Amino acid sequence: DTGVSQDPRHKITKRGQNVTFRCDPISEHNRLYWYRQTLGQGPEFLTYFQNEAQLEKSRLLSDRFSAERPKGSFSTLEIQRTEQGDSAMYLCASSAGQGYQPQHFGDGTRLSIL
Amino acid sequence: DQQVKQNSPSLSVQEGRISILNCDYTNSMFDYFLWYKKYPAEGPTFLISISSIKDKNEDGRFTVFLNKSAKHLSLHIVPSQPGDSAVYFCAASVIDSWGKFQFGAGTQVVVTP
Repeated sequence: DTGVSQDPRHKITKRGQNVTFRCDPISEHNRLYWYRQTLGQGPEFLTYFQNEAQLEKSRLLSDRFSAERPKGSFSTLEIQRTEQGDSAMYLCASSAGQGYQPQHFGDGTRLSIL
Repeated sequence: DQQVKQNSPSLSVQEGRISILNCDYTNSMFDYFLWYKKYPAEGPTFLISISSIKDKNEDGRFTVFLNKSAKHLSLHIVPSQPGDSAVYFCAASVIDSWGKFQFGAGTQVVVTP
Protein backbone atom coordinates (compact mmCIF):
# COMPACT_ATOMS: atom_id res chain seq x y z
CA ASP A 1 0.00 0.00 0.00
CA THR A 2 1.56 3.25 -1.10
CA GLY A 3 -1.07 5.60 0.33
CA VAL A 4 -0.74 8.10 3.18
CA SER A 5 -0.14 6.32 6.46
CA GLN A 6 -0.94 7.71 9.92
CA ASP A 7 -0.01 6.33 13.31
CA PRO A 8 -1.57 5.72 15.75
CA ARG A 9 -5.13 5.30 14.53
CA HIS A 10 -6.55 6.09 17.92
CA LYS A 11 -5.03 7.82 20.94
CA ILE A 12 -6.69 8.11 24.33
CA THR A 13 -4.98 10.30 26.88
CA LYS A 14 -5.64 12.28 30.01
CA ARG A 15 -5.97 16.04 29.92
CA GLY A 16 -2.63 17.73 30.34
CA GLN A 17 -0.57 14.99 28.71
CA ASN A 18 1.49 15.44 25.55
CA VAL A 19 0.73 13.45 22.42
CA THR A 20 2.56 12.99 19.13
CA PHE A 21 1.16 11.75 15.85
CA ARG A 22 3.07 10.59 12.81
CA CYS A 23 2.26 10.85 9.10
CA ASP A 24 4.05 9.13 6.25
CA PRO A 25 3.01 10.73 2.96
CA ILE A 26 3.01 9.16 -0.47
CA SER A 27 6.71 8.89 -1.21
CA GLU A 28 6.92 11.13 -4.27
CA HIS A 29 4.73 13.88 -2.78
CA ASN A 30 6.56 17.01 -1.65
CA ARG A 31 3.54 18.73 -0.09
CA LEU A 32 2.14 17.63 3.25
CA TYR A 33 -0.87 19.00 5.11
CA TRP A 34 -2.40 18.53 8.54
CA TYR A 35 -6.13 18.99 9.08
CA ARG A 36 -8.41 18.62 12.07
CA GLN A 37 -11.95 17.32 11.80
CA THR A 38 -14.62 17.43 14.47
CA LEU A 39 -18.01 15.75 14.43
CA GLY A 40 -20.34 17.11 11.79
CA GLN A 41 -17.71 19.33 10.22
CA GLY A 42 -15.39 19.11 7.29
CA PRO A 43 -11.61 19.00 7.71
CA GLU A 44 -10.07 22.30 8.87
CA PHE A 45 -6.61 23.26 7.67
CA LEU A 46 -3.91 23.35 10.37
CA THR A 47 -0.55 23.57 8.64
CA TYR A 48 1.33 22.91 5.41
CA PHE A 49 4.84 21.76 4.47
CA GLN A 50 6.61 22.07 1.16
CA ASN A 51 9.41 19.52 1.53
CA GLU A 52 10.86 20.26 4.99
CA ALA A 53 9.71 23.88 5.15
CA GLN A 54 6.59 24.73 7.14
CA LEU A 55 5.07 27.45 4.97
CA GLU A 56 1.76 28.21 6.61
CA LYS A 57 0.05 27.73 9.94
CA SER A 58 -3.62 28.29 10.69
CA ARG A 59 -4.81 30.43 13.56
CA LEU A 60 -6.27 27.16 14.86
CA LEU A 61 -2.74 26.01 15.61
CA SER A 62 -2.12 27.37 19.09
CA ASP A 63 1.29 27.51 20.75
CA ARG A 64 0.63 24.07 22.23
CA PHE A 65 0.75 22.57 18.74
CA SER A 66 3.96 21.98 16.83
CA ALA A 67 4.58 20.19 13.58
CA GLU A 68 7.79 19.08 11.94
CA ARG A 69 8.83 17.42 8.74
CA PRO A 70 12.54 16.63 9.04
CA LYS A 71 14.23 15.78 5.75
CA GLY A 72 11.00 16.39 3.90
CA SER A 73 9.72 12.87 4.43
CA PHE A 74 7.46 11.89 7.33
CA SER A 75 5.86 14.50 9.56
CA THR A 76 4.94 14.66 13.23
CA LEU A 77 2.28 16.71 14.97
CA GLU A 78 2.71 17.23 18.70
CA ILE A 79 0.12 18.61 21.07
CA GLN A 80 1.39 19.67 24.48
CA ARG A 81 -0.75 19.95 27.59
CA THR A 82 -3.80 18.51 25.87
CA GLU A 83 -7.21 20.00 26.57
CA GLN A 84 -10.73 18.62 26.15
CA GLY A 85 -11.21 20.76 23.05
CA ASP A 86 -8.34 18.98 21.33
CA SER A 87 -10.48 15.87 20.94
CA ALA A 88 -10.86 15.44 17.19
CA MET A 89 -9.75 13.45 14.19
CA TYR A 90 -6.36 14.62 12.95
CA LEU A 91 -5.91 14.03 9.24
CA CYS A 92 -2.76 14.15 7.18
CA ALA A 93 -2.77 14.64 3.42
CA SER A 94 -0.13 14.87 0.74
CA SER A 95 0.03 16.05 -2.83
CA ALA A 96 2.57 16.35 -5.60
CA GLY A 97 4.09 19.27 -7.42
CA GLN A 98 2.46 22.53 -8.16
CA GLY A 99 -0.71 23.72 -9.77
CA TYR A 100 -3.96 21.85 -9.63
CA GLN A 101 -3.32 18.74 -7.57
CA PRO A 102 -5.77 16.81 -5.38
CA GLN A 103 -4.72 15.93 -1.85
CA HIS A 104 -4.65 12.32 -0.78
CA PHE A 105 -5.63 11.69 2.82
CA GLY A 106 -4.62 9.14 5.40
CA ASP A 107 -7.19 7.47 7.63
CA GLY A 108 -6.46 9.87 10.47
CA THR A 109 -5.63 9.68 14.15
CA ARG A 110 -8.61 9.99 16.46
CA LEU A 111 -7.63 11.77 19.66
CA SER A 112 -9.81 11.34 22.74
CA ILE A 113 -9.06 13.41 25.83
CA LEU A 114 -10.36 12.00 29.12
CA ASP B 1 -15.75 32.23 8.43
CA GLN B 2 -17.33 29.40 6.50
CA GLN B 3 -16.46 30.09 2.87
CA VAL B 4 -17.67 26.73 1.56
CA LYS B 5 -21.16 25.60 2.46
CA GLN B 6 -23.05 22.40 1.95
CA ASN B 7 -26.54 23.24 3.09
CA SER B 8 -28.00 19.74 2.89
CA PRO B 9 -26.64 17.60 5.72
CA SER B 10 -28.26 14.47 4.30
CA LEU B 11 -29.67 13.00 1.12
CA SER B 12 -31.57 9.76 0.59
CA VAL B 13 -31.81 8.34 -2.92
CA GLN B 14 -33.03 5.13 -4.43
CA GLU B 15 -30.56 2.77 -6.04
CA GLY B 16 -30.31 3.46 -9.77
CA ARG B 17 -31.53 7.05 -9.50
CA ILE B 18 -29.47 10.22 -9.69
CA SER B 19 -27.87 11.78 -6.61
CA ILE B 20 -27.31 15.53 -6.77
CA LEU B 21 -25.14 17.14 -4.14
CA ASN B 22 -24.80 20.89 -3.90
CA CYS B 23 -22.09 23.21 -2.65
CA ASP B 24 -21.94 27.02 -2.45
CA TYR B 25 -18.93 29.21 -1.88
CA THR B 26 -18.43 32.85 -1.07
CA ASN B 27 -14.81 33.53 -2.04
CA SER B 28 -14.63 34.55 -5.69
CA MET B 29 -10.87 33.86 -5.65
CA PHE B 30 -11.42 30.10 -5.43
CA ASP B 31 -10.34 28.52 -8.70
CA TYR B 32 -9.97 24.82 -7.96
CA PHE B 33 -12.69 22.59 -6.54
CA LEU B 34 -12.79 18.97 -5.47
CA TRP B 35 -15.23 16.44 -4.16
CA TYR B 36 -14.24 13.81 -1.62
CA LYS B 37 -16.09 10.76 -0.36
CA LYS B 38 -15.63 9.53 3.19
CA TYR B 39 -16.59 6.22 4.74
CA PRO B 40 -16.69 5.84 8.55
CA ALA B 41 -13.27 5.30 10.15
CA GLU B 42 -11.48 6.14 6.91
CA GLY B 43 -9.93 9.29 5.52
CA PRO B 44 -11.56 11.25 2.70
CA THR B 45 -11.01 9.75 -0.75
CA PHE B 46 -10.60 12.03 -3.75
CA LEU B 47 -13.43 11.67 -6.27
CA ILE B 48 -13.31 14.37 -8.91
CA SER B 49 -12.04 17.88 -9.44
CA ILE B 50 -12.72 20.90 -11.60
CA SER B 51 -10.80 24.08 -12.26
CA SER B 52 -12.45 27.43 -12.80
CA ILE B 53 -11.66 27.42 -16.51
CA LYS B 54 -14.20 24.64 -16.99
CA ASP B 55 -17.88 24.33 -16.17
CA LYS B 56 -18.14 20.55 -16.30
CA ASN B 57 -15.97 17.53 -15.66
CA GLU B 58 -16.96 13.89 -15.96
CA ASP B 59 -15.43 10.72 -14.62
CA GLY B 60 -17.52 7.62 -15.06
CA ARG B 61 -20.67 7.91 -12.97
CA PHE B 62 -19.54 11.20 -11.44
CA THR B 63 -20.00 14.63 -13.01
CA VAL B 64 -19.14 17.94 -11.39
CA PHE B 65 -20.72 21.17 -12.61
CA LEU B 66 -19.37 24.61 -11.80
CA ASN B 67 -21.40 27.83 -12.04
CA LYS B 68 -18.93 30.60 -11.31
CA SER B 69 -21.44 33.43 -11.54
CA ALA B 70 -23.60 31.77 -8.91
CA LYS B 71 -20.58 30.54 -6.93
CA HIS B 72 -22.15 27.11 -6.95
CA LEU B 73 -20.98 23.62 -7.78
CA SER B 74 -22.78 20.33 -7.81
CA LEU B 75 -21.90 16.67 -7.99
CA HIS B 76 -24.11 14.29 -9.93
CA ILE B 77 -23.86 10.56 -9.35
CA VAL B 78 -25.72 8.43 -11.84
CA PRO B 79 -26.76 5.73 -11.40
CA SER B 80 -26.47 5.69 -7.61
CA GLN B 81 -25.24 2.45 -6.08
CA PRO B 82 -25.33 1.13 -2.49
CA GLY B 83 -21.56 1.60 -2.24
CA ASP B 84 -22.08 5.33 -2.79
CA SER B 85 -23.54 5.62 0.71
CA ALA B 86 -20.99 7.87 2.43
CA VAL B 87 -20.35 11.46 3.47
CA TYR B 88 -19.41 13.73 0.58
CA PHE B 89 -17.33 16.86 1.07
CA CYS B 90 -16.74 19.65 -1.40
CA ALA B 91 -13.51 21.62 -1.08
CA ALA B 92 -12.17 24.76 -2.69
CA SER B 93 -8.76 26.33 -3.08
CA VAL B 94 -6.99 29.32 -4.54
CA ILE B 95 -4.23 28.21 -6.91
CA ASP B 96 -1.50 30.26 -5.24
CA SER B 97 -2.41 29.17 -1.71
CA TRP B 98 -0.21 26.07 -1.92
CA GLY B 99 -3.21 23.82 -2.15
CA LYS B 100 -4.75 24.81 1.16
CA PHE B 101 -8.34 23.69 0.85
CA GLN B 102 -11.45 24.87 2.61
CA PHE B 103 -14.04 22.16 3.11
CA GLY B 104 -17.79 22.17 3.46
CA ALA B 105 -19.43 20.39 6.38
CA GLY B 106 -20.41 17.41 4.24
CA THR B 107 -23.56 15.71 3.00
CA GLN B 108 -24.47 12.21 4.17
CA VAL B 109 -25.77 10.20 1.23
CA VAL B 110 -27.82 7.06 1.82
CA VAL B 111 -28.63 4.91 -1.19
CA THR B 112 -31.62 2.66 -0.53
CA PRO B 113 -32.50 -0.53 -2.43
